[in-house]
Amino acid sequence: KAGVTQTPRYLIKTRGQQVTLSCSPISGHRSVSWYQQTPGQGLQFLFEYFSETQRNKGNFPGRFSGRQFSNSRSEMNVSTLELGDSALYLCASSQNRVNTEAFFGQGTRLTVV
Amino acid sequence: AQKITQTQPGMFVQEKEAVTLDCTYDTSDPSYGLFWYKQPSSGEMIFLIYQGSYDQQNATEGRYSLNFQKARKSANLVISASQLGDSAMYFCAMREGLPDFGNEKLTFGTGTRLTIIP
Repeated sequence: KAGVTQTPRYLIKTRGQQVTLSCSPISGHRSVSWYQQTPGQGLQFLFEYFSETQRNKGNFPGRFSGRQFSNSRSEMNVSTLELGDSALYLCASSQNRVNTEAFFGQGTRLTVV
Repeated sequence: AQKITQTQPGMFVQEKEAVTLDCTYDTSDPSYGLFWYKQPSSGEMIFLIYQGSYDQQNATEGRYSLNFQKARKSANLVISASQLGDSAMYFCAMREGLPDFGNEKLTFGTGTRLTIIP
């Protein structure tokens, strides 16, 4: 069974640009959550999608958005990139909700220059 | 106030010894779940073990066990017979809320960097 797949693994962007990250959950999993990990702030929740609906959102500016498709794949978009957006972005998938298991992908390391 | 507290920024342990990683949590929600994850230098978060707030028994998964003390709001991870491959960052996380209300998310602690010494 394939795990959670995040693409791309590494990304370098310049300030002001926008970026789209992709997450393919484990087959059969309908919940996808996104997290940002930085040395200063640690792991912070961005948002969660279930059956194409955003169910929960963390305290991030509107520049951070996401969506989920009918096949449960999810994308996260960050517009007008800032240096502080440099981080490891992790995606987690779970079958129904974040219940007893939440499996993470390897992450996308975004560097904003 | 911190919802998840991991007081050990770093630990050094001799190979084959047991190790306990501390985690305390703060919640007023009667329904919650506690998770432990391992993050090697590659960045991937590897799920280790889960404990639900209503679970009567401590969770175990192979060499991992969770010492759940509900009254003390403590959920320590115990790794028995440590191996060199256990060297990594370890994160404790908590899920609060009921899923039907759409307020589920994981709150993570700051992590403990574990180094196993040969």
